[in-house]
Amino acid sequence: AQTVTQSQPEMSVQEAETVTLSCTYDTSESDYYLFWYKQPPSRQMILVIRQEAYKQQNATENRFSVNFQKAAKSFSLKISDSQLGDAAMYFCAYRSMGNQFYFGTGTSLTVIP
Amino acid sequence: ETGVTQTPRHLVMGMTNKKSLKCEQHLGHNAMYWYKQSAKKPLELMFVYSLEERVENNSVPSRFSPECPNSSHLFLHLHTLQPEDSALYLCASSQDWGQGIRDTEAFFGQGTRLTVV
Repeated sequence: AQTVTQSQPEMSVQEAETVTLSCTYDTSESDYYLFWYKQPPSRQMILVIRQEAYKQQNATENRFSVNFQKAAKSFSLKISDSQLGDAAMYFCAYRSMGNQFYFGTGTSLTVIP
Repeated sequence: ETGVTQTPRHLVMGMTNKKSLKCEQHLGHNAMYWYKQSAKKPLELMFVYSLEERVENNSVPSRFSPECPNSSHLFLHLHTLQPEDSALYLCASSQDWGQGIRDTEAFFGQGTRLTVV
């Protein structure tokens, strides 16, 4: 079975600075999808960014970008110009072509004013 | 409107009670999911429904009983729960479910915080 590992239970960043959240995964599939979801205190999981494994170009969404290293099975999230509203739990997720979602244990991000 | 709505937001129940969690999606999706979120653990997939048929049941105890009366509604019936069942229960939906589906994103509700006493 696929596994997703987030090795940083907690991270903090100064407002306006950049932070990188790590994620690694294990799979034998060649085609799959990777996601970063954000879960603020409201508890609703919100999609931040997605990456399709067959695309070599790293996905970007405004201040959010990923570093996708397929061979290393690494999928890190970079948040630039961090804002107070970025404080949340961040979950890395893997979706197989069979549509199974696998989630990591999450990284709690604190933004320091 | 969030697209996926869960009620109630909070629930406290005794071990002998029977209660139900409700999920409703307004996105026209064909697949719906129940997840259990416990502290310091990955989200655990409990059930998947596709076109109102259960397609996944990941070894969930029978004290959890899902129901999908139509593609917009999903219920999780609870009875004789244990304290270790206390967790956040998340409902999600996606356009479709099945091998090779390209539309990939799952949309989540805000969850029901369940406490079993």
